[in-house]
Amino acid sequence: DTAVSQTPKYLVTQMGNDKSIKCEQNLGHDTMYWYKQDSKKFLKIMFSYNNKELIINETVPNRFSPKSPDKAHLNLHINSLELGDSAVYFCASSRSGRGTYEQYFGPGTRLTVT
Amino acid sequence: AQSVAQPEDQVNVAEGNPLTVKCTYSVSGNPYLFWYVQYPNRGLQFLLKYITGDNLVKGSYGFEAEFNKSQTSFHLKKPSALVSDSALYFCAVRDYRDMRFGAGTRLTVKP
Repeated sequence: DTAVSQTPKYLVTQMGNDKSIKCEQNLGHDTMYWYKQDSKKFLKIMFSYNNKELIINETVPNRFSPKSPDKAHLNLHINSLELGDSAVYFCASSRSGRGTYEQYFGPGTRLTVT
Repeated sequence: AQSVAQPEDQVNVAEGNPLTVKCTYSVSGNPYLFWYVQYPNRGLQFLLKYITGDNLVKGSYGFEAEFNKSQTSFHLKKPSALVSDSALYFCAVRDYRDMRFGAGTRLTVKP
């Protein structure tokens, strides 16, 4: 069973388009995350979300918006895609708490904007 | 702000030799420290964590890490490296809000 899954695995699109990436976890976790990994493999947190709180990294453009239909899903919607959005996007989940719990990552979605 | 640093971009070791991947941290309060591994075209996999207690933490695939408060370090170690250990390794620190990763260290184990 896949713990954290993402679709699609690859996404190629043109500048200006709107796209979504889906994420699902079957671990029963109540907190989910989106990360961006750039071409130099640097990982940056974009959002963390549970039922009570959405925490947005202030450096993330408002073209990016997380949408959570339920605890097991956290989708990422991106408006007006730009060349600089090209990266690998990872979804992750964990139990909430004081920060002692590890995160489990999905396989990633490689987004290429042309 | 909490942060970790990985001073080495690349570590090369011969198969069978011990390996060390370095990490230093900067936190206010008690550190919650983690190591993850990323294989090519894959997501990150959790290896081990330090929360409290014994300074030597054992994890997956024979890896261990030593927490050193005086040196603010959390180095990843393995007594005998395998070619299959070749991957990208990330140190991370987290609080209740999020997890912050180091820049990563690429480990290459040569036969």
